[in-house]
Amino acid sequence: QVQLQESGPGLVKPSQTLSLTCTVSGGSISSGGYYWSWIRQHPGKGLEWIGYIYYSGSTYYNPSLKSRVTISVDTSKNQFSLKLSSVTAADTAVYYCASREAWDYYFDYWGQGTLVTVSS
Amino acid sequence: QSALTQPASVSGSPGQSITISCTGTSSDVGGYNYVSWYQQHPGKAPKLMIYEVSNRPSGVSNRFSGSKSGNTASLTISGLQAEDEADYYCSSYTSSSTLDWVFGGGTKLTVL
Repeated sequence: QVQLQESGPGLVKPSQTLSLTCTVSGGSISSGGYYWSWIRQHPGKGLEWIGYIYYSGSTYYNPSLKSRVTISVDTSKNQFSLKLSSVTAADTAVYYCASREAWDYYFDYWGQGTLVTVSS
Repeated sequence: QSALTQPASVSGSPGQSITISCTGTSSDVGGYNYVSWYQQHPGKAPKLMIYEVSNRPSGVSNRFSGSKSGNTASLTISGLQAEDEADYYCSSYTSSSTLDWVFGGGTKLTVL
């Protein structure tokens, strides 16, 4: 069974870049067959899809965030990462990594989530 | 504003049934059988409860069921139990612009 674990700074200053990593265990990113995703949840609010990456490097982003988002994969470490530039307080949220099998249309495995606060 | 519309809250007594609606458009809910539902307890990650409108993952109680009519999907929980109290989110694949995924704003279920 796939397990996901987010890591990264819990506090980021405005205008800086938010960087998070998701470590995958119980499965190999390089074996293919999964889209590796980032989803966020603003405090007390609903879920927002940020984007996902296939092991080959193909990426798909939410148009509202596309200009600031980069998702990358490191198959040697079995990790994928999120970078969100020029952050503001509006980017304060719990960030989840999640997986979706390539032939399915739902997110089956989720990390526990990590709170990132944007504040000076 | 979320792309899919859910009621903010629903409630029911133990043993009763409740239904949560999720309304979208023909570009998402109405256009594909790719609606999924997630349960989220406070401080926890979302958990997949229903996929492809009406399918339950292994391990999910058969008290949970899903359906769809037109642009509206529904999650029904029968035989309400205290542990069902949580937030529930619907989600759908979408062909709207280049956005692949949309979620509902969430529904708080209170078991009275």
